[in-house]
Amino acid sequence: DQQVKQNSPSLSVQEGRISILNCDYTNSMFDYFLWYKKYPAEGPTFLISISSIKDKNEDGRFTVFLNKSAKHLSLHIVPSQPGDSAVYFCAASEGSGTYKYIFGTGTRLKVLA
Amino acid sequence: DAGITQSPRHKVTETGTPVTLRCHQTENHRYMYWYRQDPGHGLRLIHYSYGVKDTDKGEVSDGYSVSRSKTEDFLLTLESATSSQTSVYFCAISQPGEPTSGNTIYFGEGSWLTVV
Repeated sequence: DQQVKQNSPSLSVQEGRISILNCDYTNSMFDYFLWYKKYPAEGPTFLISISSIKDKNEDGRFTVFLNKSAKHLSLHIVPSQPGDSAVYFCAASEGSGTYKYIFGTGTRLKVLA
Repeated sequence: DAGITQSPRHKVTETGTPVTLRCHQTENHRYMYWYRQDPGHGLRLIHYSYGVKDTDKGEVSDGYSVSRSKTEDFLLTLESATSSQTSVYFCAISQPGEPTSGNTIYFGEGSWLTVV
């Protein structure tokens, strides 16, 4: 059973607009969440993370929001740029010292120039 | 970039042959992982290691074994490769963080394996 779900396989957004990528999880023990970006033929690269003690974390154009009651997190990219076109994965773990990171199936973002 | 090297980067092998993928890190991170990426499945954990000689199974461990004899090296072995193991394999590393800060996991560039 998929513990981390990304229900939108793809998303297209105009350059300069906001991109919102969503992720849902089922395991209430998850308390640390991460977003990764992946270009073709490359390994995933870390973007931003959030601990369950927070509900928002910002890093430049990237903001992650966490709604624990809904078991939902989202990644906002503002403004979107063509270089942001990639596959985005969300991941969850049970916090510091935990070995396992469970990933979603990914959302392919295409930013249109 | 995290110092993670995977080898080989590309391999074509025949069904039934053994295959070993190597992951080498220069970061002295405690945890190492092997993931596979397949369309529609995202990244799935095969095996992971929490120290030298300490390993455990992930979500999709059947048909795979691992070994970690040194901190810096983590080997993934397909004892008898099957076509269902055609995939892209990613090694990853992480290090224990402060409480509430969690760990960030860093990935290698990937190894493309085709089983024919």
